[in-house]
Amino acid sequence: EVQLVESGGGLVQPGRSLKLSCVASGFTFSNYGMNWIRQAPGKGLEWVAYISSGSSYIYYAETVKGRFTISRDNAKNTLYLQMTSLRSEDTALYYCARGYSSWAYWGQGTLVTVSS
Amino acid sequence: DIVMTQSPTSMSISVGDRVTMNCKASQNVGSNVDWYQQKTGQSPKLLIYKASNRYTGVPDRFTGSGSGTDFTFTISNMQAEDLAVYYCMQSNSYRTFGGGTKLELK
Repeated sequence: EVQLVESGGGLVQPGRSLKLSCVASGFTFSNYGMNWIRQAPGKGLEWVAYISSGSSYIYYAETVKGRFTISRDNAKNTLYLQMTSLRSEDTALYYCARGYSSWAYWGQGTLVTVSS
Repeated sequence: DIVMTQSPTSMSISVGDRVTMNCKASQNVGSNVDWYQQKTGQSPKLLIYKASNRYTGVPDRFTGSGSGTDFTFTISNMQAEDLAVYYCMQSNSYRTFGGGTKLELK
């Protein structure tokens, strides 16, 4: 069974950093590109970043480019999102999802709250 | 960036209704549009991929159509369990979601 489990969310002050993790199981992690998608409270979905299976291709939404870094460790079946210079508008539930597009598998999300 | 304009933003419906919602892309995205269902408190669920392909296990009352800039998602016989927010998403250039269509009971 495919499982994606996010962690690392929490309350953080504006301007600080936070690193999210997504642990994958039930499939060969190194064969799939992975994504981070977020959803602000009561709002819609926003794609954040994509990383290819071997980390050769990385893309970001303009809203996070230069502040967030997506990475992965295929040996640990883990996807990461390093978030720096956090702003109140980054407050959201952060999901990881498997694949280049047409995401059939999502985690349950980890909540990031940016507030002083 | 490609903007996906989804309409309507909400619909009041009854069980058994035929429900249709639309997504318009700001530029040609081919058939690179997916449709997702998100129920309250749950992660999104893939229903339709590449504009018109039903994902494994998705009931055939859900259909998608369109190409280029105009896309349509239809629920042919609305069921109570279909109450949710539905999102379109383009994957032709990066990824962008529509704003969502919320289905509520009349």
